[in-house]
Amino acid sequence: AQTVTQSQPEMSVQEAETVTLSCTYDTSENNYYLFWYKQPPSRQMILVIRQEAYKQQNATENRFSVNFQKAAKSFSLKISDSQLGDTAMYFCAFMFQGAQKLVFGQGTRLTINP
Amino acid sequence: EAQVTQNPRYLITVTGKKLTVTCSQNMNHEYMSWYRQDPGLGLRQIYYSMNVEVTDKGDVPEGYKVSRKEKRNFPLILESPSPNQTSLYFCASSLSRTSSHTGELFFGEGSRLTVL
Repeated sequence: AQTVTQSQPEMSVQEAETVTLSCTYDTSENNYYLFWYKQPPSRQMILVIRQEAYKQQNATENRFSVNFQKAAKSFSLKISDSQLGDTAMYFCAFMFQGAQKLVFGQGTRLTINP
Repeated sequence: EAQVTQNPRYLITVTGKKLTVTCSQNMNHEYMSWYRQDPGLGLRQIYYSMNVEVTDKGDVPEGYKVSRKEKRNFPLILESPSPNQTSLYFCASSLSRTSSHTGELFFGEGSRLTVL
């Protein structure tokens, strides 16, 4: 069974700082996808970034980037120049190719302080 | 506007009183799914549907039912709700799970259910 672990329940940084959220996963599959979702206080689930396991290059979306270490089964999210609007719960999620579901981590509550 | 719509957004009910949470998507998506979100557990899949009249259990299906009579709708039914079903529920849809398409999930806004 696939599992996703986020070891940081809460994090807090000052505005404009860089913050890294950790995520590890366990799977025997070789073809899969990894995601980071953001859940602001509005509760909406927003896709932040996606990584295909077969791609060695780390995905980047503006201020958001990942450090994908396939051998270590690690998928951390880096937020650069953090903004107040980044305050949210962040979920790491995994899906192997052809699967019928996303497997989510426990979530990390990130607070950006002014 | 492309969206997944859930209703109600908030509901307080009592043990044993049947309720339905509706979900509708306007993107002609084949795949739909229900998740529940609980503190410290993340989101867990309850049921999913690959297409009309095709449904299957997820990881935590006990106490829930679903139906998929139309492509756009995927209601979640709690026949006899219990307090352990107090949770935040999300409906999600995706274009397809049968192709190599990664199937990014589009989520509804969530339904906060409290069972007393």
